[in-house]
Amino acid sequence: QVQLVQSGAEVKKPGASVKVSCKASGYTFTGYYIHWVRQAPGQGLEWMGWLNPNSGGTNYAQKFQGRVTMTRDTSISTAYMELSRLRSDDTAVYYCAKEAYSSGLVYFDYWGQGILVTVSA
Amino acid sequence: DIVMTQSPDSLAVSLGERATINCKSSQSVLYSSNNKNYLAWYQQKPGQPPKLLIYWASTRESGVPDRFSGSGSGTDFTLTISSLQAEDVAVYYCQQYYGIPLTFGQGTRVQIK
Repeated sequence: QVQLVQSGAEVKKPGASVKVSCKASGYTFTGYYIHWVRQAPGQGLEWMGWLNPNSGGTNYAQKFQGRVTMTRDTSISTAYMELSRLRSDDTAVYYCAKEAYSSGLVYFDYWGQGILVTVSA
Repeated sequence: DIVMTQSPDSLAVSLGERATINCKSSQSVLYSSNNKNYLAWYQQKPGQPPKLLIYWASTRESGVPDRFSGSGSGTDFTLTISSLQAEDVAVYYCQQYYGIPLTFGQGTRVQIK
């Protein structure tokens, strides 16, 4: 069965960087883009961008351009999302999500469990 | 960016009654070449990731109970829960995948009256 297993919670200071992981199993990792979506406490869902695990290509939301980097290691079917220059309003649960078909413009059929990233001095 | 606006923000419905959630997009998400609406609905329960319910505006995901249905086209969409069950208490989100950035509605909280 398809699973996306994310790394554990993180606590960071303002200005630092965080790198979170998303390990995929149960399907061909290189066949479907991985998207990252975040959710601030008590708030809605915000799309951050996608990673094409096959080519390594990315497409970031303009809001995060220059601060986010999405990468992958195909040998271990794992995607990574690094966010730099953290601010307090980056405190959120970060989800990875698998797209339902290979496109980039798509809905998500499987989600990771989420990682709480807390940014606090 | 395509702005997705849901209404209401919250609603309370009696068990067994109908719940209706609306979602309006700031521009059409109907792709004329294939006549498909690029609109999905998700359910999110506390402490859990979102779960896909509906895609292409009206296609139910495998395993989703048939009391959930989606309708609408262009800019106006509706998620209907025909007979609310206790396990349907959750926040519901619409999402457009017509354009980048992908965007979500602000969410509608469904509770039991």
